[in-house]
Amino acid sequence: GEDVEQSLFLSVREGDSSVINCTYTDSSSTYLYWYKQEPGAGLQLLTYIFSNMDMKQDQRLTVLLNKKDKHLSLRIADTQTGDSAIYFCAEHNNNDMRFGAGTRLTVKP
Amino acid sequence: KAGVTQTPRYLIKTRGQQVTLSCSPISGHRSVSWYQQTPGQGLQFLFEYFSETQRNKGNFPGRFSGRQFSNSRSEMNVSTLELGDSALYLCASSPWTVVATNEKLFFGSGTQLSVL
Repeated sequence: GEDVEQSLFLSVREGDSSVINCTYTDSSSTYLYWYKQEPGAGLQLLTYIFSNMDMKQDQRLTVLLNKKDKHLSLRIADTQTGDSAIYFCAEHNNNDMRFGAGTRLTVKP
Repeated sequence: KAGVTQTPRYLIKTRGQQVTLSCSPISGHRSVSWYQQTPGQGLQFLFEYFSETQRNKGNFPGRFSGRQFSNSRSEMNVSTLELGDSALYLCASSPWTVVATNEKLFFGSGTQLSVL
C-alpha cells in the first residue's frame, strides 16, 4: 500500500523555527493535512493544503507542498514550549485518509 | 457543541477476552472512523462507518469489527484479544463520509487499551 513517511523526532530551542517534513507516495492525493496531538489527547487539525497549491500560510504556520517530489513540510515560526507535541501529516485520496507515524517535536527553553 | 466522546478512557483486559469501545460523534456528524495508534506505527486506519454502513476498511483481521447506530454513535469490538492489540484507539467524526469528500476529521481523546 501507499505509505506516508515522517521522521520520528525533532528537537528545537524556544524561539527558533521548526520544520517537520513528510513524504507521501500517492500522487492522486487531493488534500494533505497536518494534525497535532498533545499528551493524553486526540488529534487536532492544524492546517491543510489542496494539492494544486504550493504554499499556505496561517499565522506562525507555513505549509509547503512539492507535488513533483511528493514532499510536504510544516514550518512553525518562533516555536514555543506549548508547541511540543506529536505532529502527523496525512493524505486524502479518493478512498481514505492515511497518516504518517508522527514527528515528536520537543521544544527546549 | 460537545466534541467527540470516547468511552472508556482506559481499559485493561487479558489475552483471549473481547472488548467493546464506544464513540459518540459531534452532533450532526454522520461519519465515524476508527484508528489504532501504537508507538512507531502511527495511526492505522481500521474502518469508517457512515449512515450505519461500513464505507471503508483497513488492513486488520476479522477480530476487529464495528457498527454504527441510527444516532451515529459507533462501537468497535475486538474479539480474542492479543498482546499486540495494546494501543490507543481513536475515533474521529466528520459531517460526511471521508471516502467521498475531503472532510476534516475531529478526533476524540481515545481509549487506551492494555492487553495483559
